[in-house]
Amino acid sequence: NAGVMQNPRHLVRRRGQEARLRCSPMKGHSHVYWYRQLPEEGLKFMVYLQKENIIDESGMPKERFSAEFPKEGPSILRIQQVVRGDSAAYFCASCSKTEAFFGQGTRLTVV
Amino acid sequence: GQQLNQSPQSMFIQEGEDVSMNCTSSSIFNTWLWYKQDPGEGPVLLIALYKAGELTSNGRLTAQFGITRKDSFLNISASIPSDVGIYFCADFLYGNKLVFGAGTILRVKS
Repeated sequence: NAGVMQNPRHLVRRRGQEARLRCSPMKGHSHVYWYRQLPEEGLKFMVYLQKENIIDESGMPKERFSAEFPKEGPSILRIQQVVRGDSAAYFCASCSKTEAFFGQGTRLTVV
Repeated sequence: GQQLNQSPQSMFIQEGEDVSMNCTSSSIFNTWLWYKQDPGEGPVLLIALYKAGELTSNGRLTAQFGITRKDSFLNISASIPSDVGIYFCADFLYGNKLVFGAGTILRVKS
């Protein structure tokens, strides 16, 4: 997937803990999208970020979820006080103006 | 809601057959992107289209950007077992929000 790095690949959290998912975009890309995917389903848009700026967060739940893309370092998707329903695969995409490339995803399991 | 209508939802075809799937929208787009997602992996960009009428091939895959700029199709010729997966179309909406179709699940009978 052309250099988009996500970590960890797998993350197990107990209910009530925090989950932090990281995404390092391709070199030279300053835009990142986060998507959530349940098994056998499509990609649900969560948030679109530029460095130091949230452009569109219309897909983010109002509570417990937040995202950032600082000037230095990876983009972070943070889920506080996780619940079982947060279990899913989370993908980030790194974008130029005309193409988007995905990472391998983080599979979050809440036990 | 879903801005891109992708069909069919799933296909179950014989190895060696040709496959066709398409995406339509009520909006005009400047770009069509086609992705394939293997189980447990992230989507991989197959073909990107930028001009109305454009026809682009990538091996056994061919995709076209519709003349009206509201639709696109993806064809796979001579299917093989490794073509199994989910195929998504995607577009950039105004404001550069990348949206996806619901996906076409391809299953190949060997």
